[in-house]
Amino acid sequence: AQKITQTQPGMFVQEKEAVTLDCTYDTSDPSYGLFWYKQPSSGEMIFLIYQGSYDQQNATEGRYSLNFQKARKSANLVISASQLGDSAMYFCAMREGRGSTLGRLYFGRGTQLTVWP
Amino acid sequence: KAGVTQTPRYLIKTRGQQVTLSCSPISGHRSVSWYQQTPGQGLQFLFEYFSETQRNKGNFPGRFSGRQFSNSRSEMNVSTLELGDSALYLCASSLGDTEGRDTEAFFGQGTRLTVV
Repeated sequence: AQKITQTQPGMFVQEKEAVTLDCTYDTSDPSYGLFWYKQPSSGEMIFLIYQGSYDQQNATEGRYSLNFQKARKSANLVISASQLGDSAMYFCAMREGRGSTLGRLYFGRGTQLTVWP
Repeated sequence: KAGVTQTPRYLIKTRGQQVTLSCSPISGHRSVSWYQQTPGQGLQFLFEYFSETQRNKGNFPGRFSGRQFSNSRSEMNVSTLELGDSALYLCASSLGDTEGRDTEAFFGQGTRLTVV
């Protein structure tokens, strides 16, 4: 079974509008972490936001927020006020457990976001 | 503060050759992970190193190996290259905090390997 599922291969949003990128995860470990990364065409993976399984509040970082619904096992990324520079591939990832190192990240297949003027 | 540096950025090799890729993590980070990204398989975990020791290993053949030096820099080696090894190889740097507070991994720009 897939650990991370991103069901939207592509999304389109107009500049200044908000957009939600979906992510569901599958784990039986009570301790896990969820990540979102942005990958522009240059290839570099840019860290956006992190949510721990025990965090009580949804994570926010500037225009990015993570809509964490633990019972549904979903961790959707919300980008408010989209900008042209937000056009990129977005990956959801998960780490299981709480070891002394980051460990292995499981990635989804990504969502290609296109922001149009 | 300098980010994660991967060298070289681009590489073209012939089938059967071997290749070594390098990754310098963020200063103070002791954990380095490697990922392979291809259009067909997506992002796949290769291995993780912490304090010069391999901590985790993905499901790749023995032709893929790595090591980490005392300054936390890491190298990845692929021997007997195959066409299917063509990919973007990404290195991730993280704190490697022993109290389990690792919550961020910062990636380099990757090395794009083409095997012909």
